[in-house]
Amino acid sequence: AQTVTQSQPEMSVQEAETVTLSCTYDTSESDYYLFWYKQPPSRQMILVIRQEAYKQQNATENRFSVNFQKAAKSFSLKISDSQLGDAAMYFCAFTSGTYKYIFGTGTRLKVLA
Amino acid sequence: NAGVMQNPRHLVRRRGQEARLRCSPMKGHSHVYWYRQLPEEGLKFMVYLQKENIIDESGMPKERFSAEFPKEGPSILRIQQVVRGDSAAYFCASSPDRANRNEQFFGPGTRLTVL
Repeated sequence: AQTVTQSQPEMSVQEAETVTLSCTYDTSESDYYLFWYKQPPSRQMILVIRQEAYKQQNATENRFSVNFQKAAKSFSLKISDSQLGDAAMYFCAFTSGTYKYIFGTGTRLKVLA
Repeated sequence: NAGVMQNPRHLVRRRGQEARLRCSPMKGHSHVYWYRQLPEEGLKFMVYLQKENIIDESGMPKERFSAEFPKEGPSILRIQQVVRGDSAAYFCASSPDRANRNEQFFGPGTRLTVL
């Protein structure tokens, strides 16, 4: 079975500092997609970043970047220069080319002023 | 291009009543997916529909839950005789044609509270 594990229920970071959120997954597929979603208190699911498994280069979107380790099945999210608006739940998600997204249980990020 | 629309955003029902959740996909999208998020959990897949067809409902509870996506109008997730355990956020997502089905665009969700 395909699973996604986020082992950090909650993380805190000082404003302007850097934080890394962890995500591991399990699959026997070789072609798949990984995502990080941000869910603020409004509950809207906002796509932060996306990674295709066949791409070796780590995806980057402004202050957000990933460390994709395919052999280790690890997909961590790094947020640089953290801002108060980054405070939210962050979900890691996986899909192996089917329509089902599999989500982790989330990490609550607190940003301290 | 408007995003995925869901209404209502909040819905309160008493035990035993029916809940109807609506989802209008993005323009040009003919694939719709419903997910449920229980408190303190991630989203879990419920059902995948194309226009007038249910493709996969393996994540739907066997009883009281149904979904449709008619030729005209929004997709509807219907929960009959709601119970307190149905309280959750229900998200709809949509995607363009089958070739791009890996990219799903999420709506803002409907938060259902069962009293």
